[in-house]
Amino acid sequence: GENVEQHPSTLSVQEGDSAVIKCTYSDSASNYFPWYKQELGKRPQLIIDIRSNVGEKKDQRIAVTLNKTAKHFSLHITETQPEDSAVYFCAASTGFQKLVFGTGTRLLVSP
Amino acid sequence: NAGVMQNPRHLVRRRGQEARLRCSPMKGHSHVYWYRQLPEEGLKFMVYLQKENIIDESGMPKERFSAEFPKEGPSILRIQQVVRGDSAAYFCASSPRDISPQHFGDGTRLSIL
Repeated sequence: GENVEQHPSTLSVQEGDSAVIKCTYSDSASNYFPWYKQELGKRPQLIIDIRSNVGEKKDQRIAVTLNKTAKHFSLHITETQPEDSAVYFCAASTGFQKLVFGTGTRLLVSP
Repeated sequence: NAGVMQNPRHLVRRRGQEARLRCSPMKGHSHVYWYRQLPEEGLKFMVYLQKENIIDESGMPKERFSAEFPKEGPSILRIQQVVRGDSAAYFCASSPRDISPQHFGDGTRLSIL
């Protein structure tokens, strides 16, 4: 079955810096890759997603890139702010069905 | 437009009791997914249901766990004879169809004494 690895497990940056989180997946049939942000005690919140027919997608300060050949995808956050501090999860699925999640990255943005 | 509603938010059970977790999907959503999250870990898929059908239960333990999504009413995740290891946050997500993003509820935190 699908396996998703996520790095780093923790990431500390200064406010205004960029943050990059990387994920790799194992199943070449995976075709949908969402990213979720989860604050402590809260629900996972979808922040951006990408399908396998697209190489890059941007939404304001957030962007996701996908390399199907290498089977990895990355989340890029520019001009980080303290409110970006949270745990970020990548996920992969085939046909938008069950999501296989990475282990999460705890992002800390210091003022 | 209410989001995915889960109740209860917190549930405490003693070992051997039954736990029932409820999930009402967003309006117009007919696909429901259940995930389990242990402390400091990612979410693990349990089961995927459509109205009156279980589509994929590959992540759900064969014993003690069951799920349903009846024609009327919420989806129910049922855990019989709970054990300490069942303590976790259980999240439900819904989508309008199987080619749409999943949106999560606030979860049920299950604690087993």
